[in-house]
Amino acid sequence: DTGVSQNPRHKITKRGQNVTFRCDPISEHNRLYWYRQTLGQGPEFLTYFQNEAQLEKSRLLSDRFSAERPKGSFSTLEIQRTEQGDSAMYLCASSKYRDEETQYFGPGTRLLVL
Amino acid sequence: DAKTTQPTSMDCAEGRAANLPCNHSTISGNEYVYWYRQIHSQGPQYIIHGLKNNETNEMASLIITEDRKSSTLILPHATLRDTAVYYCIVRGAGSDMRFGAGTRLTVKP
Repeated sequence: DTGVSQNPRHKITKRGQNVTFRCDPISEHNRLYWYRQTLGQGPEFLTYFQNEAQLEKSRLLSDRFSAERPKGSFSTLEIQRTEQGDSAMYLCASSKYRDEETQYFGPGTRLLVL
Repeated sequence: DAKTTQPTSMDCAEGRAANLPCNHSTISGNEYVYWYRQIHSQGPQYIIHGLKNNETNEMASLIITEDRKSSTLILPHATLRDTAVYYCIVRGAGSDMRFGAGTRLTVKP
């Protein structure tokens, strides 16, 4: 399968714990995006990378959220001190940058904070 | 906020064409219209996109009005597996994707 992959697919954690999600983009895609989706809503943009550079992070929900893409390939999204309101689907997408770039999404990681 | 307006829900009979409208009256000249769909509990799936001209691929057709203020996604022969939430997104180069609530399409046998 050459699509975007995300791990884990499901994560249950207790409030206050830290969690980390991984995204592996489509090979040779230089842009990688993170979104959050809550029940009944469309995906909400969080941040994105072009290669290893994080070009937009002002939309991250709080300073508890951080993302990295150290070698310009896979990316991780970390949430520190999780809260029940962090329960959502976290989606990753990748694209090859050009004017009409198309983003391809992974299956998502569903987080439940108890 | 999303730059598009879509009906909340639509029904379509299996085997018939599904026509999903989208209004984007504030679209700029360099912004594309993208359509994605999301089947329950899965990631969004890319369907089609266009700038000015009508587009067709193996999944769907996209009809964009001449003034570009609205568009219609056409699924020519809807099947039960096309039941999903369909998102219409307007996006310029280098900007992020802003999803609205989309249209929940239900294909009925």
